[in-house]
Amino acid sequence: DQQVKQNSPSLSVQEGRISILNCDYTNSMFDYFLWYKKYPAEGPTFLISISSIKDKNEDGRFTVFLNKSAKHLSLHIVPSQPGDSAVYFCAASADYGGATNKLIFGTGTLLAVQP
Amino acid sequence: NAGVTQTPKFRVLKTGQSMTLLCAQDMNHEYMYWYRQDPGMGLRLIHYSVGEGTTAKGEVPDGYNVSRLKKQNFLLGLESAAPSQTSVYFCASNRELGTDTQYFGPGTRLTVL
Repeated sequence: DQQVKQNSPSLSVQEGRISILNCDYTNSMFDYFLWYKKYPAEGPTFLISISSIKDKNEDGRFTVFLNKSAKHLSLHIVPSQPGDSAVYFCAASADYGGATNKLIFGTGTLLAVQP
Repeated sequence: NAGVTQTPKFRVLKTGQSMTLLCAQDMNHEYMYWYRQDPGMGLRLIHYSVGEGTTAKGEVPDGYNVSRLKKQNFLLGLESAAPSQTSVYFCASNRELGTDTQYFGPGTRLTVL
Protein backbone atom coordinates (compact mmCIF):
# COMPACT_ATOMS: atom_id res chain seq x y z
CA ASP A 1 0.00 0.00 0.00
CA GLN A 2 1.65 3.19 -1.22
CA GLN A 3 1.19 5.81 1.51
CA VAL A 4 2.87 8.56 -0.50
CA LYS A 5 1.87 8.83 -4.14
CA GLN A 6 3.25 10.82 -7.02
CA ASN A 7 0.82 10.07 -9.80
CA SER A 8 2.75 11.82 -12.57
CA PRO A 9 5.82 9.80 -13.55
CA SER A 10 7.07 12.63 -15.72
CA LEU A 11 6.56 16.31 -16.46
CA SER A 12 7.95 18.50 -19.23
CA VAL A 13 7.98 22.31 -19.05
CA GLN A 14 9.60 25.15 -20.94
CA GLU A 15 12.45 27.09 -19.43
CA GLY A 16 11.17 30.14 -17.55
CA ARG A 17 7.73 28.68 -16.94
CA ILE A 18 6.35 27.26 -13.71
CA SER A 19 6.82 23.59 -12.81
CA ILE A 20 4.23 22.07 -10.47
CA LEU A 21 4.93 18.66 -9.00
CA ASN A 22 2.21 16.97 -7.00
CA CYS A 23 2.16 14.50 -4.15
CA ASP A 24 -0.73 12.83 -2.30
CA TYR A 25 -0.61 10.93 0.95
CA THR A 26 -2.98 8.65 2.79
CA ASN A 27 -1.63 8.54 6.35
CA SER A 28 -3.17 11.33 8.44
CA MET A 29 -0.40 10.85 11.03
CA PHE A 30 2.24 12.32 8.70
CA ASP A 31 3.41 15.59 10.19
CA TYR A 32 6.48 16.51 8.18
CA PHE A 33 7.01 16.54 4.44
CA LEU A 34 10.11 16.90 2.33
CA TRP A 35 11.10 17.13 -1.30
CA TYR A 36 14.32 15.58 -2.54
CA LYS A 37 15.90 16.06 -5.94
CA LYS A 38 17.92 13.35 -7.67
CA TYR A 39 20.21 13.55 -10.65
CA PRO A 40 21.23 10.36 -12.54
CA ALA A 41 23.97 8.33 -10.84
CA GLU A 42 23.78 10.48 -7.71
CA GLY A 43 22.02 10.19 -4.38
CA PRO A 44 18.96 12.29 -3.56
CA THR A 45 19.63 15.74 -2.15
CA PHE A 46 17.32 17.67 0.13
CA LEU A 47 15.42 20.51 -1.49
CA ILE A 48 12.73 21.90 0.80
CA SER A 49 10.48 20.78 3.64
CA ILE A 50 7.29 21.77 5.40
CA SER A 51 5.80 20.99 8.78
CA SER A 52 2.12 20.17 9.10
CA ILE A 53 1.56 23.32 11.14
CA LYS A 54 2.24 25.39 8.03
CA ASP A 55 0.56 25.51 4.64
CA LYS A 56 3.39 27.11 2.69
CA ASN A 57 7.16 27.26 2.77
CA GLU A 58 9.31 29.18 0.33
CA ASP A 59 13.00 29.01 -0.51
CA GLY A 60 14.10 31.06 -3.47
CA ARG A 61 12.53 29.63 -6.63
CA PHE A 62 11.02 26.72 -4.73
CA THR A 63 7.73 26.79 -2.83
CA VAL A 64 5.96 23.90 -1.20
CA PHE A 65 2.24 24.06 -0.47
CA LEU A 66 0.46 21.74 1.94
CA ASN A 67 -3.29 21.08 1.95
CA LYS A 68 -3.91 18.86 4.95
CA SER A 69 -7.62 18.44 4.40
CA ALA A 70 -6.94 17.10 0.91
CA LYS A 71 -3.80 15.24 2.03
CA HIS A 72 -1.98 16.88 -0.84
CA LEU A 73 1.22 18.79 -1.27
CA SER A 74 2.81 20.41 -4.26
CA LEU A 75 6.20 21.80 -5.21
CA HIS A 76 6.31 24.90 -7.39
CA ILE A 77 9.47 25.89 -9.21
CA VAL A 78 9.43 29.40 -10.67
CA PRO A 79 11.07 30.10 -13.02
CA SER A 80 12.11 26.65 -14.17
CA GLN A 81 15.68 26.22 -15.40
CA PRO A 82 17.29 23.42 -17.44
CA GLY A 83 19.42 22.54 -14.38
CA ASP A 84 16.20 21.68 -12.55
CA SER A 85 15.80 18.62 -14.78
CA ALA A 86 15.91 15.69 -12.36
CA VAL A 87 13.73 13.21 -10.53
CA TYR A 88 11.84 14.76 -7.62
CA PHE A 89 10.80 12.62 -4.67
CA CYS A 90 8.19 13.57 -2.14
CA ALA A 91 8.72 12.11 1.34
CA ALA A 92 6.73 12.12 4.57
CA SER A 93 7.24 11.22 8.18
CA ALA A 94 4.89 10.43 11.04
CA ASP A 95 7.66 10.52 13.59
CA TYR A 96 10.09 13.18 12.52
CA GLY A 97 10.62 14.58 15.98
CA GLY A 98 10.45 11.18 17.54
CA ALA A 99 12.67 8.18 17.84
CA THR A 100 13.46 7.19 14.31
CA ASN A 101 13.24 9.94 11.67
CA LYS A 102 11.86 7.35 9.25
CA LEU A 103 10.80 8.69 5.88
CA ILE A 104 8.23 7.24 3.46
CA PHE A 105 9.05 8.17 -0.13
CA GLY A 106 6.88 8.56 -3.17
CA THR A 107 7.76 6.98 -6.50
CA GLY A 108 9.23 10.14 -7.98
CA THR A 109 8.46 12.49 -10.89
CA LEU A 110 10.95 13.05 -13.67
CA LEU A 111 11.01 16.75 -14.53
CA ALA A 112 12.43 17.81 -17.90
CA VAL A 113 12.92 21.53 -18.45
CA GLN A 114 13.25 22.31 -22.14
CA PRO A 115 15.53 25.22 -23.14
CA ASN B 1 34.68 16.47 3.91
CA ALA B 2 33.49 13.60 1.71
CA GLY B 3 29.98 13.37 3.22
CA VAL B 4 28.42 9.95 2.68
CA THR B 5 30.36 7.45 0.58
CA GLN B 6 29.37 3.99 -0.59
CA THR B 7 31.47 1.03 -1.68
CA PRO B 8 31.26 -0.50 -4.26
CA LYS B 9 29.49 1.58 -6.92
CA PHE B 10 28.52 -1.41 -9.02
CA ARG B 11 28.38 -5.15 -8.42
CA VAL B 12 27.07 -8.21 -10.22
CA LEU B 13 26.34 -11.32 -8.16
CA LYS B 14 25.09 -14.78 -8.93
CA THR B 15 22.10 -16.15 -7.05
CA GLY B 16 23.19 -17.49 -3.69
CA GLN B 17 26.38 -15.45 -3.40
CA SER B 18 26.95 -13.13 -0.48
CA MET B 19 28.31 -9.63 -0.28
CA THR B 20 28.59 -6.60 1.99
CA LEU B 21 27.91 -3.01 1.03
CA LEU B 22 29.82 -0.41 2.99
CA CYS B 23 28.55 3.04 3.89
CA ALA B 24 30.81 5.59 5.53
CA GLN B 25 30.09 9.13 6.72
CA ASP B 26 32.52 11.70 8.04
CA MET B 27 29.96 14.12 9.50
CA ASN B 28 29.76 12.50 12.94
CA HIS B 29 26.09 11.71 12.34
CA GLU B 30 24.24 9.54 14.84
CA TYR B 31 21.60 8.15 12.49
CA MET B 32 22.22 6.03 9.42
CA TYR B 33 19.87 4.34 6.96
CA TRP B 34 19.87 1.87 4.10
CA TYR B 35 17.31 2.26 1.31
CA ARG B 36 16.66 0.45 -1.93
CA GLN B 37 15.25 2.12 -5.02
CA ASP B 38 13.29 0.12 -7.55
CA PRO B 39 11.44 1.32 -10.66
CA GLY B 40 7.93 2.46 -9.77
CA MET B 41 8.56 1.93 -6.05
CA GLY B 42 10.46 4.98 -4.86
CA LEU B 43 12.94 4.55 -2.01
CA ARG B 44 12.12 1.99 0.64
CA LEU B 45 13.82 1.74 4.01
CA ILE B 46 15.61 -1.57 4.62
CA HIS B 47 17.30 -1.07 8.00
CA TYR B 48 18.42 1.87 10.06
CA SER B 49 20.55 2.71 13.08
CA VAL B 50 20.04 5.35 15.75
CA GLY B 51 23.56 5.08 17.08
CA GLU B 52 26.72 3.01 17.25
CA GLY B 53 25.95 -0.59 18.12
CA THR B 54 22.22 -0.29 17.35
CA THR B 55 20.19 -1.46 14.37
CA ALA B 56 16.48 -1.74 13.59
CA LYS B 57 14.26 -3.03 10.79
CA GLY B 58 12.67 -0.78 8.23
CA GLU B 59 9.93 -1.48 5.67
CA VAL B 60 11.69 -4.24 3.70
CA PRO B 61 14.30 -5.94 5.93
CA ASP B 62 13.95 -9.55 4.76
CA GLY B 63 17.08 -11.01 3.18
CA TYR B 64 19.37 -8.32 4.59
CA ASN B 65 21.44 -7.89 7.72
CA VAL B 66 23.22 -4.81 9.01
CA SER B 67 25.86 -3.84 11.51
CA ARG B 68 26.99 -0.55 13.03
CA LEU B 69 30.18 -1.41 14.92
CA LYS B 70 31.63 2.07 14.41
CA LYS B 71 29.70 5.31 14.40
CA GLN B 72 30.93 6.30 10.97
CA ASN B 73 30.19 3.00 9.21
CA PHE B 74 26.97 1.16 8.42
CA LEU B 75 27.26 -2.19 6.65
CA LEU B 76 24.52 -3.91 4.66
CA GLY B 77 24.91 -7.63 4.10
CA LEU B 78 23.25 -10.02 1.71
CA GLU B 79 23.88 -13.57 2.90
CA SER B 80 22.33 -15.37 -0.08
CA ALA B 81 21.54 -13.01 -2.92
CA ALA B 82 18.33 -13.41 -4.92
CA PRO B 83 17.30 -11.80 -8.24
CA SER B 84 14.63 -9.86 -6.30
CA GLN B 85 17.46 -7.99 -4.61
CA THR B 86 18.56 -6.43 -7.88
CA SER B 87 18.25 -2.75 -7.10
CA VAL B 88 20.03 0.50 -6.43
CA TYR B 89 21.00 0.82 -2.78
CA PHE B 90 21.36 4.16 -1.05
CA CYS B 91 22.82 4.90 2.32
CA ALA B 92 21.86 8.06 4.22
CA SER B 93 22.72 9.71 7.51
CA ASN B 94 21.63 12.60 9.65
CA ARG B 95 22.83 14.28 12.79
CA GLU B 96 19.90 14.36 15.12
CA LEU B 97 16.18 14.06 15.54
CA GLY B 98 13.80 16.82 14.69
CA THR B 99 13.99 18.56 11.36
CA ASP B 100 17.51 17.58 10.36
CA THR B 101 17.46 16.28 6.80
CA GLN B 102 19.04 13.07 5.59
CA TYR B 103 22.21 13.18 3.49
CA PHE B 104 22.49 10.47 0.87
CA GLY B 105 25.40 8.62 -0.65
CA PRO B 106 25.77 8.18 -4.44
CA GLY B 107 24.31 4.68 -4.47
CA THR B 108 25.37 1.11 -5.30
CA ARG B 109 23.87 -0.58 -8.33
CA LEU B 110 23.54 -4.30 -7.62
CA THR B 111 22.51 -6.91 -10.16
CA VAL B 112 21.78 -10.48 -9.08
CA LEU B 113 21.72 -12.99 -11.92
